[in-house]
Amino acid sequence: AQSVTQLDSQVPVFEEAPVELRCNYSSSVSVYLFWYVQYPNQGLQLLLKYLSGSTLVKGINGFEAEFNKSQTSFHLRKPSVHISDTAEYFCAVNPGGSYIPTFGRGTSLIVHP
Amino acid sequence: GAGVSQSPRYKVAKRGQDVALRCDPISGHVSLFWYQQALGQGPEFLTYFQNEAQLDKSGLPSDRFFAERPEGSVSTLKIQRTQQEDSAVYLCASNPSTTGELFFGEGSRLTVL
Repeated sequence: AQSVTQLDSQVPVFEEAPVELRCNYSSSVSVYLFWYVQYPNQGLQLLLKYLSGSTLVKGINGFEAEFNKSQTSFHLRKPSVHISDTAEYFCAVNPGGSYIPTFGRGTSLIVHP
Repeated sequence: GAGVSQSPRYKVAKRGQDVALRCDPISGHVSLFWYQQALGQGPEFLTYFQNEAQLDKSGLPSDRFFAERPEGSVSTLKIQRTQQEDSAVYLCASNPSTTGELFFGEGSRLTVL
């Protein structure tokens, strides 16, 4: 079964600092990869996705992620965070041939002024 | 509406009561998913529909949980004889095809007393 590991449950950071949220997955076959963001009392919304092609993927709100097949990772980065980026971030993986995304347990990004 | 709509947003049930949670997906979306999100955790898969066919229900935690999508659009998740451990946010998501990103509703928060 597919598993998704988000290594940090909480990441505190100061405003305008860079941030990286880590995601590793277990599948060795081709995968589709996603990052979602969840603001309080809201559903999840897509930040970015990797289906194929360039391993560096750019998303909304200045976020980007890099697919690393050899390390089975898909870490999320932003060069300069804002207070409004405070939210819960979820990594999700679809193994090739599966319809069903598996989600990590989430990383809480807390941006301090 | 343009997005996935879930109702009720909040439901308080006494232990042993039956509850029904409704999901109205984006019009024309083929795939529909139900996930359960416990406090501080990531979404856990419950069940998946492709049009009216329930293709995977492997995530339903017990036979007290039942889901249907009789006409391939609106879906209902029913929980019979609710228990305290059923307390969670139930997320519905839809997808226009069988791959790619999910579009989530805001969730139904169930509290069982």
